[in-house]
Amino acid sequence: SQQGEEDPQALSIQEGENATMNCSYKTSINNLQWYRQNSGRGLVHLILIRSNEREKHSGRLRVTLDTSKKSSSLLITASRAADTASYFCATAASGNTPLVFGKGTRLSVIA
Amino acid sequence: DGGITQSPKYLFRKEGQNVTLSCEQNLNHDAMYWYRQDPGQGLRLIYYSQIVNDFQKGDIAEGYSVSREKKESFPLTVTSAQKNPTAFYLCASKDGGNSYEQYFGPGTRLTVT
Repeated sequence: SQQGEEDPQALSIQEGENATMNCSYKTSINNLQWYRQNSGRGLVHLILIRSNEREKHSGRLRVTLDTSKKSSSLLITASRAADTASYFCATAASGNTPLVFGKGTRLSVIA
Repeated sequence: DGGITQSPKYLFRKEGQNVTLSCEQNLNHDAMYWYRQDPGQGLRLIYYSQIVNDFQKGDIAEGYSVSREKKESFPLTVTSAQKNPTAFYLCASKDGGNSYEQYFGPGTRLTVT
């Protein structure tokens, strides 16, 4: 079952703009992670936020988590053409349970 | 793609044949996972293993089989019972303990005709 649902499904922006992607989930979680996938490649872990955290930063990435609304957002600031990829959120009910992935947001950054 | 290798990158098979996809990791990770990805879709869990000689079914295990005889290897067999095997297959691993992030291989694209 796919718990995470990303919104929008696709996003096209100009280089230098910010990109915001949202993820909603259904059940309580231990942590939520964001991954990036370039076309035809494996996924790369970007950032993890625990259920007791509200915001986290890593370079140009900012992740927020609202457990009351069961939602998270990923903000990529000052986007670059190299940020073009699909972005997936994944949730874990506990530290040892498998991740459940959403369907992803396809981001296109136009130079 | 970290220390996980998947081979081959592209695989073609005739309908009715079993095929085995390789996944090897040199990260000394305890847990390993197999996912299936269809075009424009997210990842769906096929099987996972948290320790050698033990594995559990994921959401879409029917028509697939796995083994975990060595810590570094987790091969996936796509059997003829899998109704629609053409897909992109991704293997991942995760350290035990308090580590949560998964490391993915480059994937194998399987086409069955």
